[in-house]
Amino acid sequence: DTEVTQTPKHLVMGMTNKKSLKCEQHMGHRAMYWYKQKAKKPPELMFVYSYEKLSINESVPSRFSPECPNSSLLNLHLHALQPEDSALYLCASSLTHQETQYFGPGTRLLVL
Amino acid sequence: QKEVEQDPGPLSVPEGAIVSLNCTYSNSAFQYFMWYRQYSRKGPELLMYTYSSGNKEDGRFTAQVDKSSKYISLFIRDSQPSDSATYLCAMSPYYGGSQGNLIFGKGTKLSVKP
Repeated sequence: DTEVTQTPKHLVMGMTNKKSLKCEQHMGHRAMYWYKQKAKKPPELMFVYSYEKLSINESVPSRFSPECPNSSLLNLHLHALQPEDSALYLCASSLTHQETQYFGPGTRLLVL
Repeated sequence: QKEVEQDPGPLSVPEGAIVSLNCTYSNSAFQYFMWYRQYSRKGPELLMYTYSSGNKEDGRFTAQVDKSSKYISLFIRDSQPSDSATYLCAMSPYYGGSQGNLIFGKGTKLSVKP
């Protein structure tokens, strides 16, 4: 298994909703990442987990809450989002935080 | 000056053409250079990575790094319509980007016409 999977593919939510994005990999990678990508822009790093511990939070608003339940899973909990949070949310993983990153297909989020 | 500069295009070429995609950078500490391909509405896919200066070839793709000029290139030979995508360069002082801090270019949108 050489891929990163993300669910759901698409998500529409209101500003008062609570939802979660899920990311999974079975490559034995110990570093996992969340990125946000707006249209025609490169990915922007949000969070880095290394060995299931949060190692980087790039000053992301608290309405985004990451969770790493185990070495294969990464969640991003969403609450009280704003319309400007609409974007493609990408998960990536790497063997360690110093190895090449492999991206999942992303979750396209629309906040109404 | 941004750390990584990449012409966003769009770049349109006929099928079979040789495509040259480029990035320039300012941080001389960058040693690891990657090219990702991103199809519309999909996640980035790692195409190639290189360390320091030199060339690396993989099928129709060649990655070239010139550290003295702080310039990297990706060449695509015999381009195909399926190569139509956005190509992102990324770089880091460390292999893969220590602590996740890959520095991305803006991406170049390529269209290969049949």
